[in-house]
Amino acid sequence: DAGVIQSPRHEVTEMGQEVTLRCKPISGHNSLFWYRQTMMRGLELLIYFNNNVPIDDSGMPEDRFSAKMPNASFSTLKIQPSEPRDSAVYFCASSRAAAAGTQYFGPGTRLTVL
Amino acid sequence: AQTVTQSQPEMSVQEAETVTLSCTYDTSESDYYLFWYKQPPSRQMILVIRQEAYKQQNATENRFSVNFQKAAKSFSLKISDSQLGDAAMYFCAYRSEVGTYKYIFGTGTRLKVLA
Repeated sequence: DAGVIQSPRHEVTEMGQEVTLRCKPISGHNSLFWYRQTMMRGLELLIYFNNNVPIDDSGMPEDRFSAKMPNASFSTLKIQPSEPRDSAVYFCASSRAAAAGTQYFGPGTRLTVL
Repeated sequence: AQTVTQSQPEMSVQEAETVTLSCTYDTSESDYYLFWYKQPPSRQMILVIRQEAYKQQNATENRFSVNFQKAAKSFSLKISDSQLGDAAMYFCAYRSEVGTYKYIFGTGTRLKVLA
């Protein structure tokens, strides 16, 4: 089975630009999670979806961040406008609640905002 | 609220030796899951091992095993016969049995393996 797929793997953009990160969860998984990892703050949960519905977005840092899950096989995390402090590695993970909720992570997207 | 603490920012082990990484957690729940994830330099988060709190038996996966002490709220990871490829950041995580599917992660322990 294919794992969680994220694109792009690397993104370099300039401050003020819109950034869209993409995630395809593992087929059959009904929960999807977006994380951000930085040296200073470690691994932070930004938002998670259950059955395509956002359940908890309390980790989303501010209104510049938005996430959608239009169907069970696709999710996006958008930053508009981007700022240098958004530079981080962004992970997507998915899980099947019935399987003890083990989360499987994608390879991450390294975002650099200049 | 649940918390997860990894008190060892960095550990070193000689190749072929055994090392134990510590993790403690705080919760008022009786049913939950605990996980260890490995993050090598490639930054991919890889599941190492999982423990269900209702199981008395400690989980094992090849060279990896845990010492789960429910009363003490301790969940340590033992790596036997350490290999160079074990060098990575290791994260401990907690997940509630009911309600939210969120993980609570520890801050990680960086493991160095010396040849």
